[in-house]
Amino acid sequence: SQQGEEDPQALSIQEGENATMNCSYKTSINNLQWYRQNSGRGLVHLILIRSNEREKHSGRLRVTLDTSKKSSSLLITASRAADTASYFCATDAGGNEKLTFGTGTRLTIIP
Amino acid sequence: DAMVIQNPRYQVTQFGKPVTLSCSQTLNHNVMYWYQQKSSQAPKLLFHYYDKDFNNEADTPDNFQSRRPNTSFCFLDIRSPGLGDAAMYLCATSRDSGSWGEQYFGPGTRLTVT
Repeated sequence: SQQGEEDPQALSIQEGENATMNCSYKTSINNLQWYRQNSGRGLVHLILIRSNEREKHSGRLRVTLDTSKKSSSLLITASRAADTASYFCATDAGGNEKLTFGTGTRLTIIP
Repeated sequence: DAMVIQNPRYQVTQFGKPVTLSCSQTLNHNVMYWYQQKSSQAPKLLFHYYDKDFNNEADTPDNFQSRRPNTSFCFLDIRSPGLGDAAMYLCATSRDSGSWGEQYFGPGTRLTVT
């Protein structure tokens, strides 16, 4: 079964607003990663948060991790049209070199 | 720039006609992955190589094979493509398993089966 599931499946907001996406997973992890995928392209790594971290920032991105609830959130502040993409969380359950991707959130920023 | 390159970007093949997709990397990473991604779905891992060690996912059909002749190159062979194999195929790399770090993706090859 899929390790990560994301919520919402789709999100549309006005440019300049903040966007929040959530990810839930089922088993213990070493780290959780977030990736962005523009339509028809490969995935781009955004941020990695380790299991002993609770929050991490990178530019306009803020990721939180709650291992007790097995959940993570990705916040994009001051959204831009260029942020329109699908966002996937990925976990490394099993402690090996494999990642399991969540179902993704399709984010649309309305200019 | 160091990167993951996939060729071709678009591939059309006929039902049952073997097709090979290629991936190369200039990152000198130990691990290379092949994913299948269907429309509006998550990438699904088909197999990966850690150096020359091949690791097949349990639910990857036998129709899918892979070769890694050297560190830089990895190929995905689909022996008899069916209509259900139409998808985006993504190649990715990572440094090694110990770091459990990020994966670097190529732009993907979109496969159409007619």
